[in-house]
Amino acid sequence: EAQVTQNPRYLITVTGKKLTVTCSQNMNHEYMSWYRQDPGLGLRQIYYSMNVEVTDKGDVPEGYKVSRKEKRNFPLILESPSPNQTSLYFCASSRRSYAEKLFFGSGTQLSVL
Amino acid sequence: GIQVEQSPPDLILQEGANSTLRCNFSDSVNNLQWFHQNPWGQLINLFYIPSGTKQNGRLSATTVATERYSLLYISSSQTTDSGVYFCAVERNDYKLSFGAGTTVTVRA
Repeated sequence: EAQVTQNPRYLITVTGKKLTVTCSQNMNHEYMSWYRQDPGLGLRQIYYSMNVEVTDKGDVPEGYKVSRKEKRNFPLILESPSPNQTSLYFCASSRRSYAEKLFFGSGTQLSVL
Repeated sequence: GIQVEQSPPDLILQEGANSTLRCNFSDSVNNLQWFHQNPWGQLINLFYIPSGTKQNGRLSATTVATERYSLLYISSSQTTDSGVYFCAVERNDYKLSFGAGTTVTVRA
């Protein structure tokens, strides 16, 4: 089944404890991206990648890191999480090397205490 | 930066009714997409529509890029259409901007 898989689905952590949210797609898509969704602010793009080893900042990249070493994987790393990073996170991919029709993962609800 | 505005913010429909959702954007864009977020939080792509008109079952969308707006039409609404509808535009710098969404509630 074609899908974008995010893990974990829920995560509670404490301030400063490094964490990684994984994202994997099995559709051989070129483009992958990360978003956070907050009440009243909608979805905002954190980082995107048009191809392997190519990543670019979105509108809210501060406090996040990404890497694209393989085509299928695009992990989101929070080196030192803070409470203002409590949010619902989505990973997405699309077939071409730009934001064509996006397929989303199921989301990761992160709480930073 | 670019402004993406959706209207109305909330919409309550009786099952079987038709409706139109609007997305205005303040600058030229590379492309535009419509998404539905169901009550369980899942985001589903409805249309990739940089310009022109597309139809998929009871849903259709029209984008007039030169006038900087897009419309999403829902015909014969069903309770399963409930959720939040987002439009998203890819800007000229390749970043993606979303509107705040239209929350649709369809009552049986």
